[in-house]
Amino acid sequence: KAGVTQTPRYLIKTRGQQVTLSCSPISGHRSVSWYQQTPGQGLQFLFEYFSETQRNKGNFPGRFSGRQFSNSRSEMNVSTLELGDSALYLCASSFVQVPGELFFGEGSRLTVL
Amino acid sequence: GESVGLHLPTLSVQEGDNSIINCAYSNSASDYFIWYKQESGKGPQFIIDIRSNMDKRQGQRVTVLLNKTVKHLSLQIAATQPGDSAVYFCAENPGQAGTALIFGKGTTLSVSS
Repeated sequence: KAGVTQTPRYLIKTRGQQVTLSCSPISGHRSVSWYQQTPGQGLQFLFEYFSETQRNKGNFPGRFSGRQFSNSRSEMNVSTLELGDSALYLCASSFVQVPGELFFGEGSRLTVL
Repeated sequence: GESVGLHLPTLSVQEGDNSIINCAYSNSASDYFIWYKQESGKGPQFIIDIRSNMDKRQGQRVTVLLNKTVKHLSLQIAATQPGDSAVYFCAENPGQAGTALIFGKGTTLSVSS
């Protein structure tokens, strides 16, 4: 069974640009959540989607947004990039929308110059 | 805000030793706890979880202990192997709807042979 797939794995952007990251969850998983990982702040929850609806949102500015499609695939978008947005963005999926094991992808590493 | 923290940022052990990684949490409402292992260049990988109605849970070579009185969580790894070298994170679900987790800062475990 394929794991969580994130694309692209690496990308470089400049300040002010926007970026879209993609996540394909494990087949059959309907819940997708996103996390930002930085050396300073560690792993921080961004948002969670279940059945195409955002169910939960972390403490991030409105520049961070996401969506989920009917096939459970998810995208997140960051607009007006700032240097501090440089991070590893991790997607995780789970079968149900209750606390339990999250399966993480390998992440998309974003560098903002 | 409320967060999960780890007592030590690094832990070095010899192959074959038992390792204990500690974590303190502050949210009394948290009812689900989970340990993840993250190897370099990879996403976090589930190790073991425990719900608040338990105080101990065992897996293969790993044991998680939960002390709700002092809000303390620990991960014990028996017969530590070089392949166990990684960053270990504890995480809690603060009882809100959904699967959102609050992660601790992580402990880097180094195993020498």
